Amino acid sequence: EAGVAQSPRYKIIEKRQSVAFWCNPISGHATLYWYQQILGQGPKLLIQFQNNGVVDDSQLPKDRFSAERLKGVDSTLKIQPAKLEDSAVYLCASSYGSGGGWETQYFGPGTRLLVL
Amino acid sequence: QKEVEQNSGPLSVPEGAIASLNCTYSDRGSQSFFWYRQYSGKSPELIMFIYSNGDKEDGRFTAQLNKASQYVSLLIRDSQPSDSATYLCAVKGGKLIFGQGTELSVKP
Repeated sequence: EAGVAQSPRYKIIEKRQSVAFWCNPISGHATLYWYQQILGQGPKLLIQFQNNGVVDDSQLPKDRFSAERLKGVDSTLKIQPAKLEDSAVYLCASSYGSGGGWETQYFGPGTRLLVL
Repeated sequence: QKEVEQNSGPLSVPEGAIASLNCTYSDRGSQSFFWYRQYSGKSPELIMFIYSNGDKEDGRFTAQLNKASQYVSLLIRDSQPSDSATYLCAVKGGKLIFGQGTELSVKP
């Protein structure tokens, strides 16, 4: 089965510009996650969707970050305006069910963002 | 106190040795525990999960969980150079929370 797809793989922008990332989860997976991984740290959950509803966005900086998952399949994450500290890898993951218990999350290749 | 804490490393072991990776967590309500491996420039991939106290073995990997001590570990037997990567401990109560990772280097 095809894995989680993300694009673009790399993006370089200047601060205060906007940027958008796209994710297509594994077919049939109900739950989609966006993580931010800063160099030298573990991934940090930004937002979790189950189908097209938001389950958890408590760590999403809502003044500049937004995300949507229309039709419960693919998703976009947007940053507007970007700051230097947003430089990170943005990982998308998906899981089959609601994400509880020991359900496995499968990660995409990530988008590496550099803000200058 | 960090929610999930790992030895920052790097941990260097010779080929064929046992590598021991440790993780502590703060939320006593945590129910599931995961070990992910992340090669440089790649995304995390699941090695194994554990949810009951004790040991769980999968090939060369053994996960150990002690909920009373809030401690999870991963042992890698017969370490190979291909095991060189960053190992991420992740703990799930509600959401999945990752530690900062331990870099492992296996020297031939």
